[in-house]
Amino acid sequence: QQQVKQSPQSLIVQKGGISIINCAYENTAFDYFPWYQQFPGKGPALLIAIRPDVSEKKEGRFTISFNKSAKQFSLHIMDSQPGDSATYFCAAGGGGNKLTFGTGTQLKVEL
Amino acid sequence: NAGVMQNPRHLVRRRGQEARLRCSPMKGHSHVYWYRQLPEEGLKFMVYLQKENIIDESGMPKERFSAEFPKEGPSILRIQQVVRGDSAAYFCASSVNIGRMNTEAFFGQGTRLTVV
Repeated sequence: QQQVKQSPQSLIVQKGGISIINCAYENTAFDYFPWYQQFPGKGPALLIAIRPDVSEKKEGRFTISFNKSAKQFSLHIMDSQPGDSATYFCAAGGGGNKLTFGTGTQLKVEL
Repeated sequence: NAGVMQNPRHLVRRRGQEARLRCSPMKGHSHVYWYRQLPEEGLKFMVYLQKENIIDESGMPKERFSAEFPKEGPSILRIQQVVRGDSAAYFCASSVNIGRMNTEAFFGQGTRLTVV
């Protein structure tokens, strides 16, 4: 019940394309859904986060779409750039900032 | 404003030794979280601490692992009698809390523990 399932495991996108990463959760007590970006040898950095009272949140080229009834949320990266190549983690939290992470998606943006 | 500081960045220990990992939260943050990341996996929650209190240790192994966040000084994650399976990246995060609401957790660069 505490799992967050993330797909795909890896993703290759052409420069300028749209990268889409999906996550699904089971625990309806989750009320905070952040996405983190991690470069090799670095700690995760928060990209964007959403709460279940909205269905979409956009910040620059990054958009979270949230479907509460389906218990799914996704990250869209518009106009993907080589500098976006990193590992992306979705996560879910239910208070107290204890986060349950997905298994990660390795994104590679090719020229 | 310095971020979350972890040290050491890399730590090599022989089987049976003790590992001590340190984390200084961001200025103004009184909540600290430890996560473990195995190769090619996501981060797994270990423990959540406030100053002098352990709030949630549901992710901590029952033996050999302990954590503290004293009134003064950094938070310490201590692993006694390390085994090869303890080799991982250990990340610390800190946040401010507003009641029950989640707020942004800032992560440190991690300590990469290698047990030989």
